[in-house]
Amino acid sequence: DAGITQSPRHKVTETGTPVTLRCHQTENHRYMYWYRQDPGHGLRLIHYSYGVKDTDKGEVSDGYSVSRSKTEDFLLTLESATSSQTSVYFCAISEPAGASYEQYFGPGTRLTVT
Amino acid sequence: RKEVEQDPGPFNVPEGATVAFNCTYSNSASQSFFWYRQDCRKEPKLLMSVYSSGNEDGRFTAQLNRASQYISLLIRDSKLSDSATYLCVVIAYSGAGSYQLTFGKGTKLSVIP
Repeated sequence: DAGITQSPRHKVTETGTPVTLRCHQTENHRYMYWYRQDPGHGLRLIHYSYGVKDTDKGEVSDGYSVSRSKTEDFLLTLESATSSQTSVYFCAISEPAGASYEQYFGPGTRLTVT
Repeated sequence: RKEVEQDPGPFNVPEGATVAFNCTYSNSASQSFFWYRQDCRKEPKLLMSVYSSGNEDGRFTAQLNRASQYISLLIRDSKLSDSATYLCVVIAYSGAGSYQLTFGKGTKLSVIP
């Protein structure tokens, strides 16, 4: 299995509080991604990074920010959590080679916003 | 038309059966295709890439039909351990050195004893 960890694995927080989720990899992969997964929606990309300090928005980026200060860590921040952000969050990594963009996922973080 | 569509299932099949899933995509410029497996409350795991010529890995066969814009996954001799949700992933180049990954919502398979 790829060396990807996420922390925390579970979190319950109140509406309006800031929350930061961490993704850590030991594979030295260039690309890192944050997804959320909700019933009926599948996996949706929030933000991704293609290098240190290089990030871009995904399809559901509103209410989220990210930072990547070093290759191995990619942080996802909910500045002011809302109940609609209750979800399972997955981090993924990839190292594109030619036309191949295989992604490897972390174990996920279950976030509940009350 | 949604970018990537899968029949959500569930597909309930007996052990030993052969089952096939399709995944259709709308972007004709799509370049790379994958199947992932996701167990309940777990992360998606790469099952196999899908090549133009088709590829096989044990009991699993993946095929690509570019003309009709779909990929397929065939599972032969189904095992109880094959019970999971199967996600297709389609990747298209979106310009300026970036690419877009789109996941299907998944097809749920239950293999019954």
